[in-house]
Amino acid sequence: GENVEQHPSTLSVQEGDSAVIKCTYSDSASNYFPWYKQELGKGPQLIIDIRSNMDKRQGQRVTVLLNKTVKHLSLQIAATQPGDSAVYFCAESDSWGKLQFGAGTQVVVTP
Amino acid sequence: DTAVSQTPKYLVTQMGNDKSIKCEQNLGHDTMYWYKQDSKKFLKIMFSYNNKELIINETVPNRFSPKSPDKAHLNLHINSLELGDSAVYFCASSLDRGNYGYTFGSGTRLTVV
Repeated sequence: GENVEQHPSTLSVQEGDSAVIKCTYSDSASNYFPWYKQELGKGPQLIIDIRSNMDKRQGQRVTVLLNKTVKHLSLQIAATQPGDSAVYFCAESDSWGKLQFGAGTQVVVTP
Repeated sequence: DTAVSQTPKYLVTQMGNDKSIKCEQNLGHDTMYWYKQDSKKFLKIMFSYNNKELIINETVPNRFSPKSPDKAHLNLHINSLELGDSAVYFCASSLDRGNYGYTFGSGTRLTVV
């Protein structure tokens, strides 16, 4: 999306290694940042989110970091498994709940 | 007991036809959305309804018309289909407008030939 830059576009990792995806957003008024995982042929699924009153949030094998000063977001997937292979999207939300998505990162986990 | 269900899953139709996609959510959410995903996987919002009221109407050709008969349903009607309308259309819902995560449907792959 024009307001959310995401990189890399493709990420290949070996099973067991970590994967890191980074995003930069432009709207300093945004205060909600979800991350979605989209498997082939399915709809995006929310995996973790963070609000602007936090700078770190952890889930099961996933950690999201938020740096509001420089408007950076990152998602780390630890101990990757073949089932983590999917397209991952970051997003920012405006006050109307409109999500602007990044262009997506295709993660490929090789055994 | 799918949370957000869309029908049909696949739709192949000729240019110039009119078609509809239906969406229903059983989560009790107040807000529903239509997103379009192009061939490069880019997701772009089209419309949003909150309690049957249109609250987001992005720059979308007026051949696309959403309708929300009640807060659990949001349908999308497309007139005079064009080749460029080919995409995957996702319906989603959220608890309310504002900062809530979306639950997406599984998508409708529209192919215009």
